[in-house]
Amino acid sequence: RKEVEQDPGPFNVPEGATVAFNCTYSNSASQSFFWYRQDCRKEPKLLMSVYSSGNEDGRFTAQLNRASQYISLLIRDSKLSDSATYLCVVNDPSGSARQLTFGSGTQLTVLP
Amino acid sequence: GAGVSQSPSNKVTEKGKDVELRCDPISGHTALYWYRQSLGQGLEFLIYFQGNSAPDKSGLPSDRFSAERTGGSVSTLTIQRTQQEDSAVYLCASSLSTSGSGEQFFGPGTRLTVL
Repeated sequence: RKEVEQDPGPFNVPEGATVAFNCTYSNSASQSFFWYRQDCRKEPKLLMSVYSSGNEDGRFTAQLNRASQYISLLIRDSKLSDSATYLCVVNDPSGSARQLTFGSGTQLTVLP
Repeated sequence: GAGVSQSPSNKVTEKGKDVELRCDPISGHTALYWYRQSLGQGLEFLIYFQGNSAPDKSGLPSDRFSAERTGGSVSTLTIQRTQQEDSAVYLCASSLSTSGSGEQFFGPGTRLTVL
């Protein structure tokens, strides 16, 4: 089982749609969770951290379910500029120094 | 302020040659990571430096890969006797976090093509 698994996508949605991405992680001891965004042929950039109580940043809402080891990202009123690959990222507290594990990403295309 | 920089941005080499990739992290960031990303794939961890501690090399795919970080700043990733399967984008990231779980800031990457 992969340490971080994401919806494979791709998701193709019309402008203005609401879209949700899911991610599961295997290490129940993980404590830090993030969503990164990666535009085509660009480097990943932090989109938002994910907090236990859930958090919003404008049109973006992140949720964490520790019991199910599940993270989600909801994008409301999607814009053309939201087209990108969204990476689920989880910290690795297993004692290894490589503290963040990146999912393989979910590709989103917002269509006009 | 200046972000993470990497050089070269593109490198084309012949199979069997050695290559060196360079990363300049954000000033003051003690943590430095190397990843590689093949086309359409996720990030594959390669190596992690934290301050003066011994690096975590657990992600290096073979002994042809090595990296060093001089003076706690600039890092060089060296691939010896390159193979076609080494073709990928090599990304460097740095972080202020000493716990390793904070935001990582990525450089633009070096696109390596091995012919």
